[in-house]
Amino acid sequence: KAGVTQTPRYLIKTRGQQVTLSCSPISGHRSVSWYQQTPGQGLQFLFEYFSETQRNKGNFPGRFSGRQFSNSRSEMNVSTLELGDSALYLCASSLADLGPSYEQYFGPGTRLTVT
Amino acid sequence: AQSVSQHNHHVILSEAASLELGCNYSYGGTVNLFWYVQYPGQHLQLLLKYFSGDPLVKGIKGFEAEFIKSKFSFNLRKPSVQWSDTAEYFCAVNARSGGSYIPTFGRGTSLIVHP
Repeated sequence: KAGVTQTPRYLIKTRGQQVTLSCSPISGHRSVSWYQQTPGQGLQFLFEYFSETQRNKGNFPGRFSGRQFSNSRSEMNVSTLELGDSALYLCASSLADLGPSYEQYFGPGTRLTVT
Repeated sequence: AQSVSQHNHHVILSEAASLELGCNYSYGGTVNLFWYVQYPGQHLQLLLKYFSGDPLVKGIKGFEAEFIKSKFSFNLRKPSVQWSDTAEYFCAVNARSGGSYIPTFGRGTSLIVHP
């Protein structure tokens, strides 16, 4: 069974631009979560989508948004990029929505550099 | 808000040494606890998890962790490390926050094992 895939793997953008990252979950998984990983803050939860609906949201500004399609693939968008948005963005999928006992499978991440 | 603290940011050991990585969380309710590992160049993957029952849980590759509720701790242990255990280790908590389940990760511990 193929794992979680993320595209692109690397991205360089300029401050003020917007970016869209894509995530394809493991086949059969309906939940997709997004995380931002930086050396200073570690792994921080952005949001989770389940059956095309945002179920949970972390503490990030509205510039960070996402969506999920009927095939469970998900996209994450960041508008008006700031230098501080440079990070590794991880996607994780799971069978069920984020409840008390979920188990997530992570993708390789997209390395975003904002200049 | 819940938080997760990993006390050791960098740990260097020789092969066959014993390992204990500390993890403490702050949340008064029911929690689910996880340890994830990220080997160099690989995806983040689940090492072990605690949902309920026996507070001593065993994971892959000889790792185990003990949940001590009174100490809000979930320390990771391995009696004898190998060079291949060199990786970054993350402790995570999944707990209810305002009607949603928000995963919170520690900042990670980098483990280097010398052969």
